[in-house]
Amino acid sequence: AQSVTQPDIHITVSEGASLELRCNYSYGATPYLFWYVQSPGQGLQLLLKYFSGDTLVQGIKGFEAEFKRSQSSFNLRKPSVHWSDAAEYFCAGNSRGGSNYKLTFGKGTLLTVNP
Amino acid sequence: EAGVAQSPRYKIIEKRQSVAFWCNPISGHATLYWYQQILGQGPKLLIQFQNNGVVDDSQLPKDRFSAERLKGVDSTLKIQPAKLEDSAVYLCASSLRGSDEQFFGPGTRLTVL
Repeated sequence: AQSVTQPDIHITVSEGASLELRCNYSYGATPYLFWYVQSPGQGLQLLLKYFSGDTLVQGIKGFEAEFKRSQSSFNLRKPSVHWSDAAEYFCAGNSRGGSNYKLTFGKGTLLTVNP
Repeated sequence: EAGVAQSPRYKIIEKRQSVAFWCNPISGHATLYWYQQILGQGPKLLIQFQNNGVVDDSQLPKDRFSAERLKGVDSTLKIQPAKLEDSAVYLCASSLRGSDEQFFGPGTRLTVL
């Protein structure tokens, strides 16, 4: 079955520190991969997406993610975290092709930023 | 450009009551999705529409949930009767036809007592 796994439920970092959120996928073929952020009481906002090509993807708000086929991973990184980055982060994937663009989400990683 | 609109933002009901949620997608977006997000979990797709036709409703509990998109624009999701386990945030998303990028509304938080 297709799945996306986020191993870390909760991560705490200090403001200014670097950040890496982990995401692993299990699909028959390489899926389209996404990272979304959800602030309290808000909907999900797309940070970045990977379809093909360059395996290092740049997104909004200074985030980037690296696709590694050998590790079935798509980890999200940021070199220096700001207090406003505190939120919940979701990795998601969908199968390529067809008319069904159903996203399968991981369970999310809650990020806390200490001053 | 206006985003995806949802109402109400919050709803509290008792079990066995009925409830309806409304979604207005981004103008021009042919595809509309309803997701259920239970606390501590990622969103789960309930139903996907392409214009006013259903593309995927495989995870919709059809004995109690129903959804419609009669004119291919606004959509309504209904639960009748509600159960305690239906307490969740219900997210609506929309996308252009053939696009993988979905835009999400703020959600409706449902509490069933």
